[in-house]
Amino acid sequence: DVKVTQSSRYLVKRTGEKVFLECVQDMDHENMFWYRQDPGLGLRLIYFSYDVKMKEKGDIPEGYSVSREKKERFSLILESASTNQTSMYLCASSRLGGASTDTQYFGPGTRLTVL
Amino acid sequence: QKEVEQDPGPLSVPEGAIVSLNCTYSNSAFQYFMWYRQYSRKGPELLMYTYSSGNKEDGRFTAQVDKSSKYISLFIRDSQPSDSATYLCAFPPPGGGADGLTFGKGTHLIIQP
Repeated sequence: DVKVTQSSRYLVKRTGEKVFLECVQDMDHENMFWYRQDPGLGLRLIYFSYDVKMKEKGDIPEGYSVSREKKERFSLILESASTNQTSMYLCASSRLGGASTDTQYFGPGTRLTVL
Repeated sequence: QKEVEQDPGPLSVPEGAIVSLNCTYSNSAFQYFMWYRQYSRKGPELLMYTYSSGNKEDGRFTAQVDKSSKYISLFIRDSQPSDSATYLCAFPPPGGGADGLTFGKGTHLIIQP
C-alpha cells in the first residue's frame, strides 16, 4: 500500500518562529510536491522537486523554502512564520517519467495555525 | 479569466440521486483531465482520469470531457452517503513533466441518507 506521511496532523506556532514540515514517501518516487489548501482558493503549489537536492518554485513560493536531502524526504520550511501562512499543507509524490496520468499520492495534511 | 472554474457548493442531494460535478478550463493545451476526491481531514486521492473527449466509465462514476467547450464533468450514479466529500478537478501540465497539477477549487458534495 502506497504511503505518504507527514510529521504532524496539527501544529500551532507563534509569529516569527521557524517551522519545519516533514514529508516522507515509501514508494521510491522521484517527484515530490508541497501544496497549501485554503477555503475559496483551493490547492496551490508552493514548491516541487524532481530529484534529490533539486527544487523548483511553484505558484506561491514566497515565504517558504524546501529541502530534499534524501529521495524519500521533502521538507517545507517557513523561515519566519506569519499569520497569513495559517493553512492546510499537503505533501504529494509521483514517479518521474513525464506521463501526465501518473497519480500524485497525497499525505493526510498538516493543519498549521500561526498565532 | 481564471484558469479553472469549479463551483464550490455545497451541493446537497438525496441518496440514490444522480450527481453532476463540473469544471471549465481556459488552457486549451491541457491534454489530461483528472478527478480527485477528498474526504474531510484527509488528502486528495485520484478517482479517475481521462485523455480524450467523450466518456469514461468506472463503476458508478463517469467522467466526461468536451475539449471543444473546455468543459469536464463527473457523474455519480446511485449516490451513497459515503460519496460525501470534496471533488476536485485537476489538470496535469501540458507536455508532461514534473510540475504540479492545476486544481479547481473543489465542489463540496453532501449525500443525504
